Amino acid sequence: NAGVTQTPKFRILKIGQSMTLQCTQDMNHNYMYWYRQDPGMGLKLIYYSVGAGITDKGEVPNGYNVSRSTTEDFPLRLELAAPSQTSVYFCASSYSRQENTEAFFGQGTRLTVV
Amino acid sequence: GENVEQHPSTLSVQEGDSAVIKCTYSDSASNYFPWYKQELGKRPQLIIDIRSNVGEKKDQRIAVTLNKTAKHFSLHITETQPEDSAVYFCAVPNTNAGKSTFGDGTTLTVKP
Repeated sequence: NAGVTQTPKFRILKIGQSMTLQCTQDMNHNYMYWYRQDPGMGLKLIYYSVGAGITDKGEVPNGYNVSRSTTEDFPLRLELAAPSQTSVYFCASSYSRQENTEAFFGQGTRLTVV
Repeated sequence: GENVEQHPSTLSVQEGDSAVIKCTYSDSASNYFPWYKQELGKRPQLIIDIRSNVGEKKDQRIAVTLNKTAKHFSLHITETQPEDSAVYFCAVPNTNAGKSTFGDGTTLTVKP
């Protein structure tokens, strides 16, 4: 199994541009998550999904959108990029509720907005 | 939502010493308590976890202890080695919400 795969690994965006961060997992996990990690800080939940067709906001959803059309894929969309969105983004998945089981993380996407 | 406090934020120890990191939480219904390790530039990975039906769990040089009454759990690393240098995160579940809240992390530095 490849686990959780994110693309791209690095990206530089100009203010006002948009982009989609891709995330796919091959472990047949129902639960998927998007986090951002600012330098020297912890993980902040942006959006999460408990199954295909279901998404919900986390702590910091403003400026982002997600969709979950399949079990495997959970893309994160940034519209009108702002410097405050410069961060490292991690996608994660878990077999069951994160309250009961570990989360598997992707390798991260380092995004810089200039 | 769940309130999680992790202490200390930074910890520096000499190689061979022990390190202890503590997490406190607010939701008394929480029953799964993982610790993740994140090496520089890498993804977080689970290193040990504990469920509420036990008070302690060990895996070689690392252990986790849980005090459900006081609502805190701790990561213990003995005989620290330079490769233990990393950021460590605790996570606490938001019961029935399908997600967890992560602590702010502890940067552990093991000096040779």
